[in-house]
Amino acid sequence: DADVTQTPRNRITKTGKRIMLECSQTKGHDRMYWYRQDPGLGLRLIYYSFDVKDINKGEISDGYSVSRQAQAKFSLSLESAIPNQTALYFCATSGDSEGFFGPGTRLTVL
Amino acid sequence: GENVEQHPSTLSVQEGDSAVIKCTYSDSASNYFPWYKQELGKRPQLIIDIRSNVGEKKDQRIAVTLNKTAKHFSLHITETQPEDSAVYFCAASSGAGGTSYGKLTFGQGTILTVHP
Repeated sequence: DADVTQTPRNRITKTGKRIMLECSQTKGHDRMYWYRQDPGLGLRLIYYSFDVKDINKGEISDGYSVSRQAQAKFSLSLESAIPNQTALYFCATSGDSEGFFGPGTRLTVL
Repeated sequence: GENVEQHPSTLSVQEGDSAVIKCTYSDSASNYFPWYKQELGKRPQLIIDIRSNVGEKKDQRIAVTLNKTAKHFSLHITETQPEDSAVYFCAASSGAGGTSYGKLTFGQGTILTVHP
C-alpha cells in the first residue's frame, strides 16, 4: 500500500550509533504506530500517537523515542543502537476502522 | 494491559482441507478483533475483522468467530489453496476516543503451509 511509506527500507548500523526511521502517510489518518517484529514474537507495539500532540508508550518503548512532526509524519529513533534491536520495524496508521501497515524497515545492529 | 495468545504456532494442511487458528485475549474491554496475513517479505494486510457486537463474520472462504464470554476468537479458512500459505496474526483492540479502533495487541503468529 503506497499510502504508507517508510525510509530507509534496509539499514545496517553499529552498536552505539543513533538512527532514525521515518514514516509518512497520505491517508489522512490521525493515528500512527510503530511496531517491531521478531520471529516467533509477533508484532509488538513500541509507541503510538493518536494525534500530533499525543504520544504514548507501547509495551516495549525502552531504548526508543519518537517524534510526530505532523499529522502525516511519525519517526522512530534509536538513540544508541544495540544488537538486540535488530528486527523488522513497521509503521502503521489507522482511522476509525482497519489499520494499514508500511512496507517495513529491516534494521541490523552489528 | 491486553495479552493475546495464538495457537498453533505452525499449521500444515493439504490443499482443499480446512485450517483453524485460535486466539484468546485477556482484556474484557477489547471490542475489535482483526486478522492479518503476512506473506514472506511483505507487510501484514488485513483479511477479515470482527467487532464485539457480532458473533461470526464470513468473507468467501474465510470466517471469524468470536466468543466474548470465553474471550476467544478463531479464524477459519475452508478449501485451502497453496496461495493461502503465509503467517497469520490475530489481534485485539479496546478502541479509543469512542471509535472501535485503538492500539492493537497481536498474537505471536501462525505459520500456515498448504501443500499441493
